[in-house]
Parts: sequence; C-alpha cells; structure tokens
Amino acid sequence: ETGVTQTPRHLVMGMTNKKSLKCEQHLGHNAMYWYKQSAKKPLELMFVYSLEERVENNSVPSRFSPECPNSSHLFLHLHTLQPEDSALYLCASSQDGTGVREQYFGPGTRLTVT
Amino acid sequence: QKEVEQNSGPLSVPEGAIASLNCTYSDRGSQSFFWYRQYSGKSPELIMFIYSNGDKEDGRFTAQLNKASQYVSLLIRDSQPSDSATYLCAVNGGSNYKLTFGKGTLLTVNP
Repeated sequence: ETGVTQTPRHLVMGMTNKKSLKCEQHLGHNAMYWYKQSAKKPLELMFVYSLEERVENNSVPSRFSPECPNSSHLFLHLHTLQPEDSALYLCASSQDGTGVREQYFGPGTRLTVT
Repeated sequence: QKEVEQNSGPLSVPEGAIASLNCTYSDRGSQSFFWYRQYSGKSPELIMFIYSNGDKEDGRFTAQLNKASQYVSLLIRDSQPSDSATYLCAVNGGSNYKLTFGKGTLLTVNP
C-alpha cells in the first residue's frame, strides 16, 4: 500500500472552494491514473498520464483539472464542484500506459462536497 | 460500449469452502485480465492477473481465462473470513489505455 500514496485521505469542501488532491508513486512506474468510485457504480477512469503526457481524458467536466509535473507525482485540482462529485478518488500507477500492465492503487481520498 | 459483467452477489460461502467468482467481458480484443479485492472503505488491492488462456495459480487463488467464451473467473480455495470483501474484475480494453472494471461481487465467508 505504501507504493502509491495520496493526500489528503479525507476532504470536505464547499461548492465554491478550490482544493487539490495529491498522489505520489514510489514504484518507478511511467503511467499514472485518476479514478472516481461512487457508491454502487463501477470504477470510472478519469485521466491517464503516460510519461507526463495526458493520453486520456474520459469526458471529465472541466471543474476537474489534472496536473502531472513528473512521472512520480499527480495532482487533481478541484473547483466549483457539485454535491454529486462526492466520491472516493483513487490514484493508480502502472509500468506503462498501455493498460496491459497491472495497476496499483493508492488508499484514496474520500471527498464530500457540501 | 465495452462492458465487464459480474454477479453483484452477495455470494456467501462457509469457511473452508471454495468460492467461485465469475466475470464476462464484451471486447474480444482484450489482452489483460485482473482481479482486485476491495475491503469496505479501502482501495482496490491487486490479487491476480492473467494474460493467457488457462489457469494461473497463486497460493489459495486460481484465475481462469477462456478467451473464446470471453469469460474469466477467480477461485478461492479454503476460504477464510478475512476473504470477505468485494472482488472487482478488470479487463484491458485492447485498443486503448482503458482498464474497464465490473461493479464487483460481494463475497461473505461465514465462520
């Protein structure tokens, strides 16, 4: 579990706030991912970065803005969120960004939008 | 629309029994198949992956893949109460970077 870390673990924010989620991987991987997990829904892929280049934006609203400054760090910037954005946000990493290799998840950030 | 289907359960088995979890997928081009275990309130933990037809064993876990039938399963032998969790099947989309997850099967192992 310590291979991929996420902060904060819990976040409560109002709809007018701006906050950021941080992810760091210590596995030497070249690809990083953001997923959203809502109750009773499958994991939803949000963004994929491979070698710091965004290669997938899965129709995510612009109020979610990712940033990948290097292959070990990934951020998700949040602004003017809606209550329906409350969910568990998971970061993952893999050896490469093809989707063929296994992905390892961080512990997640439980986000509540009030 | 690429889909991964799992029986949502709950699947209930007695301690020491074999638990069988099943998954079907729609994309014939899929190359990689993964099983994750997720305890309530925690993140998914990778427990098995399989790329080729047949069986792959790791301790008490066996993954089985049949690409012709588009079917992948996970067997857990000598089930323990600590195996009680939601098991997620994930399939590589084949043509893109996307890993598609099923909704998961809730497994309960009764002491």
